[in-house]
Amino acid sequence: DAKTTQPPSMDCAEGRAANLPCNHSTISGNEYVYWYRQIHSQGPQYIIHGLKNNETNEMASLIITEDRKSSTLILPHATLRDTAVYYCIHEGTTDSWGKLQFGAGTQVVVTP
Amino acid sequence: KAGVTQTPRYLIKTRGQQVTLSCSPISGHRSVSWYQQTPGQGLQFLFEYFSETQRNKGNFPGRFSGRQFSNSRSEMNVSTLELGDSALYLCASSISGTAPNSPLHFGNGTRLTVT
Repeated sequence: DAKTTQPPSMDCAEGRAANLPCNHSTISGNEYVYWYRQIHSQGPQYIIHGLKNNETNEMASLIITEDRKSSTLILPHATLRDTAVYYCIHEGTTDSWGKLQFGAGTQVVVTP
Repeated sequence: KAGVTQTPRYLIKTRGQQVTLSCSPISGHRSVSWYQQTPGQGLQFLFEYFSETQRNKGNFPGRFSGRQFSNSRSEMNVSTLELGDSALYLCASSISGTAPNSPLHFGNGTRLTVT
């Protein structure tokens, strides 16, 4: 079973910020939070990851709470091409080589 | 830089047959992982290879196997196909596997239909 909890769906207006929450209360100290998204008929696409500090890249920002039990992915200006299933995952290293436990994710629909 | 390439894109096989799927990772990536995606079970991890060695394995029967070549290209094989093997098979590569700065990069998969 997936170790994270995400809302099943979210709608967002084009041009507005999309804030995607994720609960990962069982995360351990050496595990990172990863976000991926999957657009229909494509493979999952890596978005961003972090340990405990907030992170930003050209795609999104990741805000991790101080207790690390939850995080929020922020898409600053959503476009129609951001419509996808977004997955939040936490994994460690060494014994989880190549393995990411995907849950059901959040289906995000960006509307004009 | 070219992304992860999977071939073929679509495949139709009959029950009892076997199938081989191919994956070419991003240049410089030494870890290759395989996943199965179905509507009912979602994305499930099959196995991971690094430097031609299997380092990790998911909970799939022995009919599912894989290998990695010295150039990091990988193949997975499914023998004695069953109807339930119909799925999207995804390959992902990374520099060293699931590590802090080594996220997985996925291909667009091979759609296998078993009739």
